[in-house]
Amino acid sequence: TQLLEQSPQFLSIQEGENLTVYCNSSSVFSSLQWYRQEPGEGPVLLVTVVTGGEVKKLKRLTFQFGDARKDSSLHITAAQPGDTGLYLCAAINAGGTSYGKLTFGQGTILTVHP
Amino acid sequence: DADVTQTPRNRITKTGKRIMLECSQTKGHDRMYWYRQDPGLGLRLIYYSFDVKDINKGEISDGYSVSRQAQAKFSLSLESAIPNQTALYFCATSDRRVRRSGTGELFFGEGSRLTVL
Repeated sequence: TQLLEQSPQFLSIQEGENLTVYCNSSSVFSSLQWYRQEPGEGPVLLVTVVTGGEVKKLKRLTFQFGDARKDSSLHITAAQPGDTGLYLCAAINAGGTSYGKLTFGQGTILTVHP
Repeated sequence: DADVTQTPRNRITKTGKRIMLECSQTKGHDRMYWYRQDPGLGLRLIYYSFDVKDINKGEISDGYSVSRQAQAKFSLSLESAIPNQTALYFCATSDRRVRRSGTGELFFGEGSRLTVL
């Protein structure tokens, strides 16, 4: 079982600040996903990264996959109150009968104050 | 209407009671999952099913059972609920048709909050 360590667990910042959330493992990921969850709702996929060194951008969010595919980061530029939520990374087993089964990190609770 | 629907959304019960959480989906996906969410622990997989006749244990299946009644329905049962099963439970689905990039996106329901007193 892959163990995913996500940090920080809590992040409280002011509107306009930048932030980075990290997701690390001692194992190599087949691929990795980032989800965002708002109160009272289920997680929603933000992005999937597959290739080592890959960088994907989603408006003010930048996702990076480490070259060795053991770590990933989510960077938010100029955070807004609407970015508030729980951010979860999840590693994917992309082979064999376990395809699609994800292991989740502990999550980062982000609060952006106006 | 939500593509993945969970019932009930909230339930308070007593220790020793039998509880069933139900999940139905209109996405046409073969794969369905039950996760449990606790603060600081992320989402942990309880059971998953890749087809109607397929049931697999996840990392925390003890104390739980599931039934895949049809492609669109996957229910989770707690035969004798205990207080440490108090948590937020999520049902999710995914499409077995995999591209080489293997996105494996999960589509979640809105969650069922269970409190065991």
